[in-house]
Amino acid sequence: DAKTTQPNSMESNEEEPVHLPCNHSTISGTDYIHWYRQLPSQGPEYVIHGLTSNVNNRMASLAIAEDRKSSTLILHRATLRDAAVYYCILRATARNSGNTPLVFGKGTRLSVIA
Amino acid sequence: NAGVTQTPKFQVLKTGQSMTLQCAQDMNHEYMSWYRQDPGMGLRLIHYSVGAGITDQGEVPNGYNVSRSTTEDFPLRLLSAAPSQTSVYFCASSYSRRLAKNIQYFGAGTRLSVL
Repeated sequence: DAKTTQPNSMESNEEEPVHLPCNHSTISGTDYIHWYRQLPSQGPEYVIHGLTSNVNNRMASLAIAEDRKSSTLILHRATLRDAAVYYCILRATARNSGNTPLVFGKGTRLSVIA
Repeated sequence: NAGVTQTPKFQVLKTGQSMTLQCAQDMNHEYMSWYRQDPGMGLRLIHYSVGAGITDQGEVPNGYNVSRSTTEDFPLRLLSAAPSQTSVYFCASSYSRRLAKNIQYFGAGTRLSVL
């Protein structure tokens, strides 16, 4: 899978929007952009994913640049419960065997201030 | 619906002991995998399986064995525990082997200390 680059940490005030950036300049045309987060002392959980168009779900929005070389995860109103490590991961569609496991980087540690 | 269940939650071993970390999913998922997470680090893939009877190595397979005799279960075996295997272990599953779209579901983790 192509690599991603994320800031090590970010800080936000509670109830304000948060924009978490991710650069993926070597993304290929069939790579999906996935976001997972890991709350303290828990396993990772899925947040959102997309291919080309912006995506919204109940947790967040994903804004994908037109050239797909970067994307932004948007939390519309950060809460204390959103404090976590957020991982941006590219997922390739395997041509043959389908063996394309998730590859985690270090992610962005989001702190939310009350 | 239990999702992905890992047991035990905590374990302390002495160097050289063996043990099996259990992972079970009740979602009829084809794909299962094991990760380890060291303090302050991201997750690293140990082994994975794309279906019953099929396993393959990930990024850090040394010291670990796996098997997949059923769709539901994917145990991870430490044959001779070493202090370097002190870590938090996560099991994950996904519906399909074509993983580009599919979501992975993770267990709550097993915290292992090897003395």
